[in-house]
Amino acid sequence: DAKTTQPNSMESNEEEPVHLPCNHSTISGTDYIHWYRQLPSQGPEYVIHGLTSNVNNRMASLAIAEDRKSSTLILHRATLRDAAVYYCILRDRSGGSNYKLTFGKGTLLTVNP
Amino acid sequence: DAGITQSPRHKVTETGTPVTLRCHQTENHRYMYWYRQDPGHGLRLIHYSYGVKDTDKGEVSDGYSVSRSKTEDFLLTLESATSSQTSVYFCAISDSPPSGRNTGELFFGEGSRLTVL
Repeated sequence: DAKTTQPNSMESNEEEPVHLPCNHSTISGTDYIHWYRQLPSQGPEYVIHGLTSNVNNRMASLAIAEDRKSSTLILHRATLRDAAVYYCILRDRSGGSNYKLTFGKGTLLTVNP
Repeated sequence: DAGITQSPRHKVTETGTPVTLRCHQTENHRYMYWYRQDPGHGLRLIHYSYGVKDTDKGEVSDGYSVSRSKTEDFLLTLESATSSQTSVYFCAISDSPPSGRNTGELFFGEGSRLTVL
């Protein structure tokens, strides 16, 4: 499976934008880029996903590099409730065992008031 | 919120005893998963199911077995619990693999904290 690399931790201030990077240099053409986050004492939850084009939803934006070897999750205005571990995951859309989701260690985001 | 219930939510047991964790869903989703989460390791897949009586191993399956006799229930069994199996266990469900239209989003339960003394 293609791997992702994320910083172990990042810090932000409340009300400021946050850019969470993810490197996936071995990404294949059939891989979707997914982001999940895990709030304290909860199970992970889906945030956003994309293939080639940048994506926006109510939670965040996903910026994907032109060569697809990296991506950035953007929280436009961080709140204290955004403090969580953020996971960047590649999922193969071509079939086979693509229903599995393999998590790395993610990035622990701390939001300061 | 997706209808996923894990039971028990907390359990303390002794080494060598059998333990069964239950995941129950009301969403009629085809796919179900068991993960464990430990400090320094993140989330790791134990076993997963892609249909009734269809299961397969994940990356850390040793010491665990699973069963799925009904769509709604996925059981994780530790035949003889060891201290290394002290962990938080998460069940997840999804209704489809990722494709052009589907995110293949996984919905997670609240977790079951198991302590093996």
